[in-house]
Amino acid sequence: AQKVTQAQTEISVVEKEDVTLDCVYETRDTTYYLFWYKQPPSGELVFLIRRNSFDEQNEISGRYSWNFQKSTSSFNFTITASQVVDSAVYFCALSEGSYGNKLVFGAGTILRVKS
Amino acid sequence: DGGITQSPKYLFRKEGQNVTLSCEQNLNHDAMYWYRQDPGQGLRLIYYSQIVNDFQKGDIAEGYSVSREKKESFPLTVTSAQKNPTAFYLCASSIAPGSSYNEQFFGPGTRLTVL
Repeated sequence: AQKVTQAQTEISVVEKEDVTLDCVYETRDTTYYLFWYKQPPSGELVFLIRRNSFDEQNEISGRYSWNFQKSTSSFNFTITASQVVDSAVYFCALSEGSYGNKLVFGAGTILRVKS
Repeated sequence: DGGITQSPKYLFRKEGQNVTLSCEQNLNHDAMYWYRQDPGQGLRLIYYSQIVNDFQKGDIAEGYSVSREKKESFPLTVTSAQKNPTAFYLCASSIAPGSSYNEQFFGPGTRLTVL
């Protein structure tokens, strides 16, 4: 069975600090996809990134970066120089198989960035 | 503008009543999904549909029903059989089953409260 664990329930940082959100997943499939979503106070989930199981390259997008390590089944998300607008709930999610569209979500990490 | 709309934003229901939540998308996506989010928890899949006139139960389908008569519409009915319906409901869509571009895009959500 597939499972996503976000062990950090809540993180508080001061603006300009770097912060890493952890995500550990479990799956028996060799083909799977990992995702990160941001949920601001408005409630709508915003897609941030998709990574398939065959691509272990790390990715950087502005202040955001992602570290995918199959050896540890982790897909961690780092925000560099955090800003107040980064305050949100962040979800990691997993879908299995080449036909996979069903997402299994972690419980989410609340990030609070203080000015 | 392409996107997903959900209505209403807030919905109040008396016990014993059925209510229907609307979800419409103009992204020309084949697949649509309904999730439920409870406070402090991740999203759980209620129903999903990969093609018109076909839908599948998710992890928590009991007490809910859906229809998919048109590609752009996927309404969710919360029936009186759902014992604890108070939650935030999110609708999502994605391009097509089997596509590697399988990230889901979410609507703004409907907050349902049972009085």
